[in-house]
Amino acid sequence: QKEVEQNSGPLSVPEGAIASLNCTYSDRGSQSFFWYRQYSGKSPELIMFIYSNGDKEDGRFTAQLNKASQYVSLLIRDSQPSDSATYLCAVIRSGGYQKVTFGTGTKLQVIP
Amino acid sequence: EAQVTQNPRYLITVTGKKLTVTCSQNMNHEYMSWYRQDPGLGLRQIYYSMNVEVTDKGDVPEGYKVSRKEKRNFPLILESPSPNQTSLYFCASSPTGGGRAGEQYFGPGTRLTVT
Repeated sequence: QKEVEQNSGPLSVPEGAIASLNCTYSDRGSQSFFWYRQYSGKSPELIMFIYSNGDKEDGRFTAQLNKASQYVSLLIRDSQPSDSATYLCAVIRSGGYQKVTFGTGTKLQVIP
Repeated sequence: EAQVTQNPRYLITVTGKKLTVTCSQNMNHEYMSWYRQDPGLGLRQIYYSMNVEVTDKGDVPEGYKVSRKEKRNFPLILESPSPNQTSLYFCASSPTGGGRAGEQYFGPGTRLTVT
């Protein structure tokens, strides 16, 4: 079982719709969760982080964390073609380590 | 401008020829890290450093070395590169470690080809 799992996609949504990206993790003690966006040929860019159960909103982005079910999700409201990218989920596991483990990413396509 | 820089951006080398990829950040960040990105495998952490002279292995450290003698620099050393180290390498830094180590700024990447 992979430590951080994401559906590779592509996830296609029409412009203006809500895009929902999901990530599950295997280490129940994981403490910190991050979402990065990576455009083709570019570096990853941090867009959201969440440390507590519940929702965290920042503009059109909402991160949702459910530790009991071991998943974290990213919602993008009013999706724009410029949101088309690969979205990477990252987790810091328990145990006092500071390793950052990434999922393989979900490719999002926003159709005009 | 706050940034993470890497050099070189592109490198083609031969098996066994030692090389160093430099990484520098100008944000006074404590935490720095190296990743490699491969198709289908995603980003995998090679080494990380919590502060000067403090480094630890990530998930794929074999064949790599690092050092952190200054806070701003975190070079990646391949003592004897092999073709399976052909990859896209990213350096990243974060203001602090611990649970916030994932709040990272990434460098532009170094594409390494080992023949």
